[in-house]
Amino acid sequence: AQSVSQHNHHVILSEAASLELGCNYSYGGTVNLFWYVQYPGQHLQLLLKYFSGDPLVKGIKGFEAEFIKSKFSFNLRKPSVQWSDTAEYFCAVNPKAAGNKLTFGGGTRVLVKP
Amino acid sequence: DVKVTQSSRYLVKRTGEKVFLECVQDMDHENMFWYRQDPGLGLRLIYFSYDVKMKEKGDIPEGYSVSREKKERFSLILESASTNQTSMYLCASSLDRTSGNTIYFGEGSWLTVV
Repeated sequence: AQSVSQHNHHVILSEAASLELGCNYSYGGTVNLFWYVQYPGQHLQLLLKYFSGDPLVKGIKGFEAEFIKSKFSFNLRKPSVQWSDTAEYFCAVNPKAAGNKLTFGGGTRVLVKP
Repeated sequence: DVKVTQSSRYLVKRTGEKVFLECVQDMDHENMFWYRQDPGLGLRLIYFSYDVKMKEKGDIPEGYSVSREKKERFSLILESASTNQTSMYLCASSLDRTSGNTIYFGEGSWLTVV
């Protein structure tokens, strides 16, 4: 079975700092990859997704992620964070052979100090 | 916009009670899912359904059952609630079982079992 590992459980940074959240997965076949975000009191929302092609994908709100196949990684980045980026971030993998089921990582809580 | 509505945001139940969590989606989606979200563990799939009256076990089905009598409605049932089922429960839906389809989430139901 596949698994997803997010390296940091909590991240605290100041506004304008750069953000990088690590995500590694274990699965031998081809996958779709996702990052979801959950703002305080809100539902989970899709930030970005990777299916194929250019390994650098851009999402909403200035986020981007890079798929490195050799490292089984899909790290999320944002060059300059804002206080409104305070949220919990989840990486998820969907093996293409598994229909539409997602396996999620444990999540990373990000606190941006104003 | 897709709307996934969970009828109860906060519930407190006693050990041994039967609990129903209701979820409705308004976009004629074929797939529906129930996840539970716990700190540090991310989201874990309990059950999912590809069609009316169809259900499949996810990664942690023990202690739960589901019902899908109508396409738009997917219910999670805890036959005899236990304290280790205290959690946030998330319902989700997607268009169909095609790999990579975006999954849309409800706002969640906080269940406390005392």
